[in-house]
Amino acid sequence: ETGVTQSPTHLIKTRGQQVTLRCSSQSGHNTVSWYQQALGQGPQFIFQYYREEENGRGNFPPRFSGLQFPNYSSELNVNALELDDSALYLCASSPGAGASSYNSPLHFGNGTRLTVT
Amino acid sequence: SQQGEEDPQALSIQEGENATMNCSYKTSINNLQWYRQNSGRGLVHLILIRSNEREKHSGRLRVTLDTSKKSSSLLITASRAADTASYFCATGENYGQNFVFGPGTRLSVLP
Repeated sequence: ETGVTQSPTHLIKTRGQQVTLRCSSQSGHNTVSWYQQALGQGPQFIFQYYREEENGRGNFPPRFSGLQFPNYSSELNVNALELDDSALYLCASSPGAGASSYNSPLHFGNGTRLTVT
Repeated sequence: SQQGEEDPQALSIQEGENATMNCSYKTSINNLQWYRQNSGRGLVHLILIRSNEREKHSGRLRVTLDTSKKSSSLLITASRAADTASYFCATGENYGQNFVFGPGTRLSVLP
């Protein structure tokens, strides 16, 4: 069973640039969620994708966008980077969505550490 | 907004002692989960307790849930240095669309 993998592990960008982060979900999982974790804080929900459609969104501006592909892998795109976007970005997969999955745990990757200078 | 709030923010104990962490939340939930995070790594799921359950065990872990007080506790018995990590509670909302995490408790187990 392959776990959740994320790439790259570390990234340094300049304010105003754009970034794409990638995630491969655990085999058998068709739901992917993205979280932002600032230093010393808990993860904050960005959005979730299920069967290639956005299935819920947290309090993040539209410059945070995502995609899910037919193989259930996913991308997180952030445009017009700001200094406050510096954080650990975590991808988590889970089986199903909605009532079939709300009692399922999340399986996290090790994250991408993004630094915006 | 963060619904879960862990208490204490930091905890330092000796190896072999028990560690207790608490979590409070604000709204009704489907379930409550506890996760562990080693420094700079992803979160690892420890245990899930449903809203109709009151207590759950997994190895050296014991979780309780009191929905009337909107609180949960995680007990780690006979702690080990390898238990040093941050521990987060997360509440399931919106039928699985998202989990709301607290700021975490940083546990240090000294050898």
